[in-house]
Amino acid sequence: DAGVIQSPRHEVTEMGQEVTLRCKPISGHNSLFWYRQTMMRGLELLIYFNNNVPIDDSGMPEDRFSAKMPNASFSTLKIQPSEPRDSAVYFCASSLVGGLPDTEAFFGQGTRLTVV
Amino acid sequence: AQSVTQLGSHVSVSEGALVLLRCNYSSSVPPYLFWYVQYPNQGLQLLLKYTTGATLVKGINGFEAEFKKSETSFHLTKPSAHMSDAAEYFCAVRSYNNNDMRFGAGTRLTVKP
Repeated sequence: DAGVIQSPRHEVTEMGQEVTLRCKPISGHNSLFWYRQTMMRGLELLIYFNNNVPIDDSGMPEDRFSAKMPNASFSTLKIQPSEPRDSAVYFCASSLVGGLPDTEAFFGQGTRLTVV
Repeated sequence: AQSVTQLGSHVSVSEGALVLLRCNYSSSVPPYLFWYVQYPNQGLQLLLKYTTGATLVKGINGFEAEFKKSETSFHLTKPSAHMSDAAEYFCAVRSYNNNDMRFGAGTRLTVKP
């Protein structure tokens, strides 16, 4: 398996523009996580899905952020409108939970977002 | 909800010296515990994990960690540091019955020649 695949790797956008980050989890995994990493706040869990259903989105900063998982092999994180303070590295991770055994979370390479 | 505290945001050791990175957790149910390593401009990769069974867990690159329930700790150690160990290390916890994984703030390890 190629692992968790995120795109794009780098994104530079202007304030006010819509940004969409994409993630393809590992085939067979049933949980997907979106994290944000900044120097100030470290690694924050934004939202996670179990079997394509959002379970906990309490980490989503505000209504400008939304995440979807239309099927088991694809998820998006959208920011609309984007602001400079959204600049960060966004990681997607996937795992198998409830399996025998459960797996740890496998991370993608991240998307470095810069909002100017 | 579970949480993790990593003591020391920066640790510096000499090459060949003992590495000790500290992690304490909080969980109301039996935890699963993880250590991840992050190299510059890369994602996180698993070093080792504790789920059940033996409390001393061995991982990749010579690292190991011991789950101590009485101390709610899961400290990461390596007997002899190598230059290639320089990276950021994250401790993480999730409970056995859900997949809400929480990470500590991270510890940046510097290895001096």
